[in-house]
Amino acid sequence: DTAVSQTPKYLVTQMGNDKSIKCEQNLGHDTMYWYKQDSKKFLKIMFSYNNKELIINETVPNRFSPKSPDKAHLNLHINSLELGDSAVYFCASSSNNPGNEQFFGPGTRLTVL
Amino acid sequence: EDKVVQSPLSLVVHEGDTVTLNCSYEVTNFRSLLWYKQEKKAPTFLFMLTSSGIEKKSGRLSSILDKKELFSILNITATQTGDSAIYLCASDSGGYQKVTFGTGTKLQVIP
Repeated sequence: DTAVSQTPKYLVTQMGNDKSIKCEQNLGHDTMYWYKQDSKKFLKIMFSYNNKELIINETVPNRFSPKSPDKAHLNLHINSLELGDSAVYFCASSSNNPGNEQFFGPGTRLTVL
Repeated sequence: EDKVVQSPLSLVVHEGDTVTLNCSYEVTNFRSLLWYKQEKKAPTFLFMLTSSGIEKKSGRLSSILDKKELFSILNITATQTGDSAIYLCASDSGGYQKVTFGTGTKLQVIP
C-alpha cells in the first residue's frame, strides 16, 4: 500500500511548456506539501495545504500553482517552464498534530530542456 | 527567516566507525526538530525531538536535542554501508507546520 504517491516519476519537457504533477495520499492526513529539491540536494518547501486552504507560499513564482480537489490530493501545475525549474519535486503529507512527521512521496524528477 | 544549518556537509567513514552529525537552528515558534534519512529517493523519517536532553534511540541511531543551545546531534554507531545516505534535519514551527530543512549531511560508509 503506497502511502503517498506521485505521478509521473520522470518528466522531460521543453522550455515554455505547461505541465502538471499529481499527488495522492491515503493516510487520512489533513496537510499536504510540495517541496523542490535542487541539484545540491537542498529541500525547500513550496506550498502546504491544510483542509484545502493554502497556508504557506514560500516566494514561489506564480507560474507554480497548487490545486487540491480534495484533502487526499494536491496537484502541482507549472506554467511556462524554465530551465531553472529542473529539480526533483516531492509531495508530502502529515497529520494536524503539532510536530508530526511528514511522509514523502517518491519524487518527480523534472528536466526542462 | 527560519534557518537550519547542518554540519559537516559531507563525511566519509569506514564501516564500524561512529559518526556524529550536527544540526543547529534559529527558528521562531519552535515546536520540534526532525531527522530524516534520504537514500536514492524520498526522505524517510527517523526521529522527532521536542524536549531537551531526552535521547531518542532506534537501533544504532540515536539523537538528542538541546533547546538552550539550539542544536541537535544524530549519532550512528558501528556504521554499515547501508547507512550511506543524506541525513536531513528539519525544524517544525508555526501554527500550520511550517517546516524548514537544513542542507543535509552526505554520509558515505566504505567497507
